[in-house]
Amino acid sequence: DQQVKQNSPSLSVQEGRISILNCDYTNSMFDYFLWYKKYPAEGPTFLISISSIKDKNEDGRFTVFLNKSAKHLSLHIVPSQPGDSAVYFCAASGKYNNNDMRFGAGTRLTVKP
Amino acid sequence: DGGITQSPKYLFRKEGQNVTLSCEQNLNHDAMYWYRQDPGQGLRLIYYSQIVNDFQKGDIAEGYSVSREKKESFPLTVTSAQKNPTAFYLCASSIGTSYMNTEAFFGQGTRLTVV
Repeated sequence: DQQVKQNSPSLSVQEGRISILNCDYTNSMFDYFLWYKKYPAEGPTFLISISSIKDKNEDGRFTVFLNKSAKHLSLHIVPSQPGDSAVYFCAASGKYNNNDMRFGAGTRLTVKP
Repeated sequence: DGGITQSPKYLFRKEGQNVTLSCEQNLNHDAMYWYRQDPGQGLRLIYYSQIVNDFQKGDIAEGYSVSREKKESFPLTVTSAQKNPTAFYLCASSIGTSYMNTEAFFGQGTRLTVV
């Protein structure tokens, strides 16, 4: 039962353009949503998060949007840079309990110079 | 520097053998986790521990065992009962479930290959 889905396994964009990574979830009990970035043979690193009381959170070039009614979130990277090339995982958890943190399958982003 | 250390980075195991993956953190986090990553799949939760001497099964605990004797350490044993152990294993920690909306911090991972 995949509660968090990233339907695009890969995305390729040109340097300087916008990258949009999408994520859908099925469990309405999820309250906190995170994006992690992962390079090969390394552990994921936390990128940005959003709680269910917000619909947008921005941190520099990274913005996460949450649409609770659609159970959908997206990560926007503007402008995209070659160093952003990595696998991006979407994750979701309950408010207090990281134990039920579920991850999507990841989207591999390639930013071309 | 605070962080999570997993060792070894690469591990080879013969079929039928048990093997233990190490995970140590100096972040003073209460909660620790083990995830498994397979190609094309997300991270799947194996075991988690919210406090010393306590741990719970995740989604795919069969064939694995853990211990939490110290706050800093959460080793994972992959037993011979695990039918498909070749994977990338990730250890993580978080401050604890008493706090809202906290992220997990990950180690660098251990790639286990059964030969």
